[in-house]
Amino acid sequence: DVVMTQSPLSLPVTLGQSASISCRSSQSLAHSDGNTYLNWYQQRPGQSPRRLLYRVSNRDSGVPDRFSGSGSGSDFTLKISRVEAEDVGVYYCMQGIQWPYTFGQGTKLEIK
Amino acid sequence: EVELLESGGGLVQPGGSLRLSCAASGFTFSSYSMGWVRQAPGKGLEWVSSVTGSGSNTYYVDSVKGRFTISRDNSKNTLYLQISSLSAEDTAAYYCAKGGTKGNREVDSWGQGTLVTVSS
Repeated sequence: DVVMTQSPLSLPVTLGQSASISCRSSQSLAHSDGNTYLNWYQQRPGQSPRRLLYRVSNRDSGVPDRFSGSGSGSDFTLKISRVEAEDVGVYYCMQGIQWPYTFGQGTKLEIK
Repeated sequence: EVELLESGGGLVQPGGSLRLSCAASGFTFSSYSMGWVRQAPGKGLEWVSSVTGSGSNTYYVDSVKGRFTISRDNSKNTLYLQISSLSAEDTAAYYCAKGGTKGNREVDSWGQGTLVTVSS
């Protein structure tokens, strides 16, 4: 299985500051169809996951432009600019290159 | 608006069975891959099973092969997961997930989850 490794696992952030989460995969997520299948999900406390970004950097409808994704191959980053209180939760990366699709361990973002 | 409503969870004894359902609305159900993702209490997310839009292709994570069966009824816009030979390790919230443009490679919507608790 493709192993997804996130860091850090805990991320205390001051309101208004930026935050970055790293996600590394045990193999390249670049598909022969030209796409790279790396998604980011947010899970707020007590809620279901919500997709933020797909194929590395494509933002979903309704997702603030404070959220951005970058990376290629097996090294990816989620950046949150100007962190707000509503951003508290756990963030997961997920690979879609090979079944079983797998998630990172999750990064818990909290406000300092 | 996409809506996914799971049901069927509950308390079950070790070795028991349940059938989970997911009623879908707000999109052309038969056109999308669907799947189930679970989350043990306080833990991360784990893909369990996936099915193509027609239902002709199904996939399972190794830990549930032979015990879980995914299916769908496109006439009823409903996804199912038959789970059997349950153990404590199967205790989790089970989320129904809708595939995106490229299928379940990029799940774009989730239900609210149904909790399965395996305990004697």
